[in-house]
Amino acid sequence: GAVVSQHPSRVICKSGTSVKIECRSLDFQATTMFWYRQFPKQSLMLMATSNEGSKATYEQGVEKDKFLINHASLTLSTLTVTSAHPEDSSFYICSASPLTPDTQYFGPGTRLTVL
Amino acid sequence: AQTVTQSQPEMSVQEAETVTLSCTYDTSESDYYLFWYKQPPSRQMILVIRQEAYKQQNATENRFSVNFQKAAKSFSLKISDSQLGDAAMYFCAYRSPMMDSNYQLIWGAGTKLIIKP
Repeated sequence: GAVVSQHPSRVICKSGTSVKIECRSLDFQATTMFWYRQFPKQSLMLMATSNEGSKATYEQGVEKDKFLINHASLTLSTLTVTSAHPEDSSFYICSASPLTPDTQYFGPGTRLTVL
Repeated sequence: AQTVTQSQPEMSVQEAETVTLSCTYDTSESDYYLFWYKQPPSRQMILVIRQEAYKQQNATENRFSVNFQKAAKSFSLKISDSQLGDAAMYFCAYRSPMMDSNYQLIWGAGTKLIIKP
């Protein structure tokens, strides 16, 4: 139980294009989903928290117009990196919490490379 | 604000031996959750063990157990009978019970565990 999928696992795009990453909770409903960014050999950096049906809460320093988050249902959240640039290249991870939010379950991550 | 500290950037252990990873945290809250997550080379973050602060009994999951010392704000992870598959980054994390925290996790910097065959 508590499986979270993330798609795509790897994406390469040209500078200036937009990329959408999907995060799905497969066997539970998630009222809250989280989006992280992880730099090599570092811990996870929280980018934003999204609650189903409401606007995401972004962490300080994260551009909400650049990293668009939509949490349209209890099983799906999307992160769209708009007008991607090479500095946006990173490993992005989502997590989801069930209705009793005591534990976050993580997706396998997406490696984004912007050329 | 809460903080989580993992003072061991890297640890190594012989296969089949026991190793303990350290984690300390700082909080003024009395009720909270603590977690150990494992991130192998695949980079999939995997929940290892969870502890509720109001429970005095230390959590265990097969070969994994914790030593939770609430007064000392310490939450160490013991791995018994280490296996090659245990090689990974291990992250300690804290979660407030407060809704206004959005149930965010506060992360330690991680400890890289190396298993020697």
